[in-house]
Amino acid sequence: AQKVTQAQTEISVVEKEDVTLDCVYETRDTTYYLFWYKQPPSGELVFLIRRNSFDEQNEISGRYSWNFQKSTSSFNFTITASQVVDSAVYFCALISQSYAGNNRKLIWGLGTSLAVNP
Amino acid sequence: DTEVTQTPKHLVMGMTNKKSLKCEQHMGHRAMYWYKQKAKKPPELMFVYSYEKLSINESVPSRFSPECPNSSLLNLHLHALQPEDSALYLCASSQPLPREETQYFGPGTRLLVL
Repeated sequence: AQKVTQAQTEISVVEKEDVTLDCVYETRDTTYYLFWYKQPPSGELVFLIRRNSFDEQNEISGRYSWNFQKSTSSFNFTITASQVVDSAVYFCALISQSYAGNNRKLIWGLGTSLAVNP
Repeated sequence: DTEVTQTPKHLVMGMTNKKSLKCEQHMGHRAMYWYKQKAKKPPELMFVYSYEKLSINESVPSRFSPECPNSSLLNLHLHALQPEDSALYLCASSQPLPREETQYFGPGTRLLVL
């Protein structure tokens, strides 16, 4: 079975604090892909990062960084020096190995709602 | 700027109405998706089109009817909806296998069924 768990339902921080969003996944596949998406109040899902199972190198993009650890099946997301514009729901997702034609399905976590207060 | 556009942004309809949601992508992708999202929940996959053919139908009620007129356009025809169908409807596109499958989403249509 494939599953993504985001244990933190809601997080509230004050601007400029660092915050880490946790993501733990389950899969029996050796090849898989993990994603993070951001959904601000406007509703659009914004793609942040895609990571494949063979690439454990951590990624940094500006104030965002991702820590992928296969040993603990985790793909955590850290925002450094948070800003009010970071307030959103963040989803972690895993690409499923169930095939249907030329497509596979995303398995979504329940999301973490982040509120950054001024 | 998003390269997946959706119209309308908001839609209010009665249970006897017929309406359509439209999605267009400008990324040359050959897979397109419809998702339904309720508040405080992750998106739920409804349909997938791959190379303009219906690839996945997640047992969606027939009052939702998808259509893919060409590789850039995706429609969702709505008829005789129920109030519980009120939700955010998201369109996404990607390349189908074996190419990169990252899904890029549009801004969504907020649907209210009265």
